[in-house]
Amino acid sequence: EAGVAQSPRYKIIEKRQSVAFWCNPISGHATLYWYQQILGQGPKLLIQFQNNGVVDDSQLPKDRFSAERLKGVDSTLKIQPAKLEDSAVYLCASSRRVDSRTDTQYFGPGTRLTVL
Amino acid sequence: KQEVTQIPAALSVPEGENLVLNCSFTDSAIYNLQWFRQDPGKGLTSLLLIQSSQREQTSGRLNASLDKSSGRSTLYIAASQPGDSATYLCAVSGDSNYQLIWGAGTKLIIKP
Repeated sequence: EAGVAQSPRYKIIEKRQSVAFWCNPISGHATLYWYQQILGQGPKLLIQFQNNGVVDDSQLPKDRFSAERLKGVDSTLKIQPAKLEDSAVYLCASSRRVDSRTDTQYFGPGTRLTVL
Repeated sequence: KQEVTQIPAALSVPEGENLVLNCSFTDSAIYNLQWFRQDPGKGLTSLLLIQSSQREQTSGRLNASLDKSSGRSTLYIAASQPGDSATYLCAVSGDSNYQLIWGAGTKLIIKP
């Protein structure tokens, strides 16, 4: 089966600009995650969707970040406006079942964002 | 608040050696613990998942152990190979919170 797809792979923008990332999870996977991974740190969950509903967005900076998962399939993550501290790799993952604690998460290759 | 620590941050060993990576967590009320591998420019790959009721899991040359009461897990890699070079991360999920809490990882280099 095809893996989790993400685009773009790399993005360089200036602070205060906007940027959007796209994720296509594995077909049939109910749960989709967006993580932010700053260099030298572990991933931090930004938002978790089950089908097209939000399960957890407690760590999403909602004043500048937004995410949607239309029709319970693809998802986009947007940053507007970007700050220097948003420079990171943005990882998308999906898992088959609704109870994500018992299920393997499959990760995409990530989008490396550099904010100048 | 759960915190996950991995020491050392980096490790370099000759090919063929057996090695142990460490992971510690502050809150023992975990649901499970997972070990992942991250290769440069690629996403993370799940290696092993240990439920809180289990003591260890094995997959090929990898063996992960869990001591929930002391807040520790180890990943044992037997007969290391250059292809094992990667960053290894552990992550725990809580009894009441589905969210994975991650360590910063150990960067492993296996020298030929």
